[in-house]
Amino acid sequence: EAGVVQSPRYKIIEKKQPVAFWCNPISGHNTLYWYLQNLGQGPELLIRYENEEAVDDSQLPKDRFSAERLKGVDSTLKIQPAELGDSAVYLCASSLKTGYWQENTGELFFGEGSRLTVL
Amino acid sequence: KNQVEQSPQSLIILEGKNCTLQCNYTVSPFSNLRWYKQDTGRGPVSLTIMTFSENTKSNGRYTATLDADTKQSSLHITASQLSDSASYICVVTSGTYKYIFGTGTRLKVLA
Repeated sequence: EAGVVQSPRYKIIEKKQPVAFWCNPISGHNTLYWYLQNLGQGPELLIRYENEEAVDDSQLPKDRFSAERLKGVDSTLKIQPAELGDSAVYLCASSLKTGYWQENTGELFFGEGSRLTVL
Repeated sequence: KNQVEQSPQSLIILEGKNCTLQCNYTVSPFSNLRWYKQDTGRGPVSLTIMTFSENTKSNGRYTATLDADTKQSSLHITASQLSDSASYICVVTSGTYKYIFGTGTRLKVLA
């Protein structure tokens, strides 16, 4: 079974340019997350989707960041315009949320990440 | 405020030696605690999950413990290998699908 797929793996752009990242979650996973990870730090949530609905985007800088998850499968994260401080790894993760909450559910499956360098 | 703190920040050990990583959390409500391994340039991968009722769980050479009273967890690595070099991230789930990440411990195993 394929895991979470992200592209591109690496992207180098100049500041003020736009950039987009794509994520294909594990088949059947209804919940999708975008995280930002700075060097030596843990991931920080940007946005969480349940199916096609963004249920938590409180940490997404909406002046320059946008995201969409059409048809509740693939997702795209866009930055426009990029700033120097946006240099980081952007991780996509997915999980399966069922109607019955068990203590041992909710494992996050991460993609390889997209490393952005803004010059 | 929900927080997860890990120690040490970084650790260097010789191949074959054991080590223990620590995770302290102040998270409420608590659902479970996971340890993730993140190789350089890769995404995190789950190693173990600890629920409120579990004290110890092993996954090969990895053994995780949880003390729900003191809100502490540890990850013990036995007979370390070069491939254990990675960052280890402690993640506490609060309620339904709210994840609080620690900053990780960076482990380097030397030959």
